Amino acid sequence: DIQVTQSPSSLSASVGDRVTITCRASQSISNYLNWYQQKPGKAPNLLIYGASSLQSGVPSRFSGSGSGTDFTLTISSLRPEDFATYYCQQSYTTPYTFGQGTKLEIK
Amino acid sequence: QVQLQESGPGLVKPSQTLSLTCIVSDGSVSTGGNYWSWIRQHPGKGLEWMGFIYYSGSTYYNPSLKSRLTISVDTSKNQFSLRLTSVTAADTAIYYCAKAAGGYCSGGICQENWFDPWGQGTLVTVSS
Repeated sequence: DIQVTQSPSSLSASVGDRVTITCRASQSISNYLNWYQQKPGKAPNLLIYGASSLQSGVPSRFSGSGSGTDFTLTISSLRPEDFATYYCQQSYTTPYTFGQGTKLEIK
Repeated sequence: QVQLQESGPGLVKPSQTLSLTCIVSDGSVSTGGNYWSWIRQHPGKGLEWMGFIYYSGSTYYNPSLKSRLTISVDTSKNQFSLRLTSVTAADTAIYYCAKAAGGYCSGGICQENWFDPWGQGTLVTVSS
């Protein structure tokens, strides 16, 4: 299986900060990498697909980049509603696998 | 936008079979290009893709669960289901159904799918 490792596992930041979360795959996955946001007690919500395509309805402060093995999710200016856990998911091949998550907390 | 809703028992005894159904509304399971998925999340942990099914009945499973897992689709009821046999406490999790779009499957391998939308999830506890 392709392993997907996120860093950091947790992150403290303030409203208005620029935040970057990293995802690294155990082998090249081209641009087949998706990002999700999960709030407590809720299902994950798709933010970014294909490494950099913004899902419809997702604010433009979210962006994704990368290819091969290294990917980033950037939130350009944190808003209070962005404090959540973020997951990446590789879609290069089944079995699809997720990163372990990055919990973004308020500083 | 299609909506999904999981249903099924919240408590299952060890060694028994876990059965869940996902009801699809505002859309059809028979729409081409979509794969109907089950994903689980152990309490306080990350996400595990279990498998998915195409409306034709073609299934794709995570090898770690393949021997115990069956996913089926009922196009007449616009729903799909999961059966997981011989459950243990390690199967205690929140189970989500989701639509996988954007990708394709060939030769038993799938690629380029993303999951959207998801059901709200249902907690299943395995305990005697």
